[in-house]
Amino acid sequence: EVQLLESGGGLVQPGGSLRISCAASGFTFSSYGMSWVRQAPGKGLEWVSGISSSGGRTYYADSVKGRFTISRDNSKNTLYLQMNSLRAEDTAVYYCANDNRGAAAGTYYNWFDPWGQGTLVTVSS
Amino acid sequence: QSVLTQPPSASGTPGQRVTISCSGSSSNIGSNTVNWYQQLPGTTPKLLIYSNNQRPSGVPDRFSGSKSGTSASLAISGLQSEDEADYYCAAWDDSLNGPVFGGGTKLTVL
Repeated sequence: EVQLLESGGGLVQPGGSLRISCAASGFTFSSYGMSWVRQAPGKGLEWVSGISSSGGRTYYADSVKGRFTISRDNSKNTLYLQMNSLRAEDTAVYYCANDNRGAAAGTYYNWFDPWGQGTLVTVSS
Repeated sequence: QSVLTQPPSASGTPGQRVTISCSGSSSNIGSNTVNWYQQLPGTTPKLLIYSNNQRPSGVPDRFSGSKSGTSASLAISGLQSEDEADYYCAAWDDSLNGPVFGGGTKLTVL
């Protein structure tokens, strides 16, 4: 059974840093791209960052570019998100998810499946 | 403000057919495939429809997706009480070079 288990969330002050993790099991982690998607309290979904299966390519939403760094350790089947210069608007549940993407006949496809259970990051003084 | 536009709410009675719309632009829905996610109350999002109209294994055929131009729709037939959830559309956006979501539609089964 595929499992994604996030950890590391918590309360951090504005301007602070936090690293969250996602431990994967039940599939060949090193064969899949991964992403982080967040959901602010009572709000919708927002893609945050993605990484290729090898870790050689990384992608970021404009809202976190320059502040967040995604990485992975395929030997540990673990995905990470290092979050620096945190702001109140970064408060959210952060989900990790398998990122299935590619292109066919000029059309780009990209879906997230499955998702972890999420870890809550609260930025507040 | 979400890049993709969905109605904030929808409702129906058991057994009815309901549709949820998702409107985008030429840089997202108009040129790429659409996915739908279901988030039951208090749970994690789940992939419901991918590549416009494909159902992952385990998703009932009561759920169907379609796309036309820069808009997409999710249809749920034979509505059941357990379908009460938030539904999100999503697509890759060529201008933003990343995936974008709709704001979500809260479906209520009356």
